[in-house]
Amino acid sequence: AQTVTQSQPEMSVQEAETVTLSCTYDTSESDYYLFWYKQPPSRQMILVIRQEAYKQQNATENRFSVNFQKAAKSFSLKISDSQLGDAAMYFCAYRSVQGAQKLVFGQGTRLTINP
Amino acid sequence: GAGVSQSPSNKVTEKGKDVELRCDPISGHTALYWYRQRLGQGLEFLIYFQGNSAPDKSGLPSDRFSAERTGESVSTLTIQRTQQEDSAVYLCASSLGYSGSFNEQYFGPGTRLTVT
Repeated sequence: AQTVTQSQPEMSVQEAETVTLSCTYDTSESDYYLFWYKQPPSRQMILVIRQEAYKQQNATENRFSVNFQKAAKSFSLKISDSQLGDAAMYFCAYRSVQGAQKLVFGQGTRLTINP
Repeated sequence: GAGVSQSPSNKVTEKGKDVELRCDPISGHTALYWYRQRLGQGLEFLIYFQGNSAPDKSGLPSDRFSAERTGESVSTLTIQRTQQEDSAVYLCASSLGYSGSFNEQYFGPGTRLTVT
């Protein structure tokens, strides 16, 4: 079974600075998807960024980018120019390409933005 | 268009009572998922529907938990004889559901269940 680990329960960053959230995962599959979700206090899960494992190029979405290291099974999220609206819980998640469609989530990292 | 909706938003029930939680997926989404999120934790998968069949029920924690789906529409998660450990936020998501392709899961706002 796949597992996802986020080792940072809490992180904080000054507004406009850059912060990196860590995620590692364990799988025996060669192809899969990885995701970062944001959960603000409203509880709504919002997809931030995704990465397909067969793609070597790291995904980027505006101020959000990932560092995907397949051999190390590492998938970190970098948020540049942090904004107050980025404050939320961030979850790393894994999904198989074939078969099981469920998302496997990490425990989350609470990100605080200091003005 | 309308997103995934869930009702009720909050539910307080006494230990031992049965509860029903409802999820309305995005129109046209064939796949529907239920997850549970305990306080301060990540989401745990409960069950996955493709149409009205459930090919993956592996996350249901006990036989007190059951779910059904009408066609490619509404789903109901039922918890019988609720226990305090069932207190959590129950999140529903839907997607286009094509295996082998990326298909984003869109989440509802969840139902916060409190068992007293």
